[in-house]
Amino acid sequence: GAGVSQTPSNKVTEKGKYVELRCDPISGHTALYWYRQSLGQGPEFLIYFQGTGAADDSGLPNDRFFAVRPEGSVSTLKIQRTERGDSAVYLCASSLWRTATQYFGPGTRLLVL
Amino acid sequence: DAKTTQPNSMESNEEEPVHLPCNHSTISGTDYIHWYRQLPSQGPEYVIHGLTSNVNNRMASLAIAEDRKSSTLILHRATLRDAAVYYCILRENNNAGNMLTFGGGTRLMVKP
Repeated sequence: GAGVSQTPSNKVTEKGKYVELRCDPISGHTALYWYRQSLGQGPEFLIYFQGTGAADDSGLPNDRFFAVRPEGSVSTLKIQRTERGDSAVYLCASSLWRTATQYFGPGTRLLVL
Repeated sequence: DAKTTQPNSMESNEEEPVHLPCNHSTISGTDYIHWYRQLPSQGPEYVIHGLTSNVNNRMASLAIAEDRKSSTLILHRATLRDAAVYYCILRENNNAGNMLTFGGGTRLMVKP
């Protein structure tokens, strides 16, 4: 079956611009996670959705980062006033419920010039 | 949160077994031991998990020490496709979001 998909696969933007990254989870998965991975490091948690609500956003680095999941399926990670330090691979994962195995998408590689 | 310690890198020959160690001396009684791996340019993928007993699946085996302060992921016959970063993760079974806390992992290199 279809796995987690993320679009775009690559995004290049200029410092100060706004970007949106999209995640399509596996159908029926209620839990959705966003992670960020800098070069040479393991992924770091950003935010977790259970259904439509953000159950834990403790990993968001600052208020320039925001995520939504309005219908409990597709999620969008939004970054305002991008900075060069935001350059990373943004990974999305979904699971049937919060304690189940997480399935990851291929990630969106964001480069802020 | 309880942390894990893994070697930065390991090397193996193709078609030989590989033992990837992980230390987690501060593990709590409710922590599950999970292993994920990340192939180049891909997102992490689940490998195996366990609580107290050794576990086997089609991908690997997980050997857990009796005191649970360490574990070993065993790939019975390494292939070139197994070259990846392997992450050992402790996952609490509680009412929190159960996000995964990744460390640096072990980069496994497989030589033909």
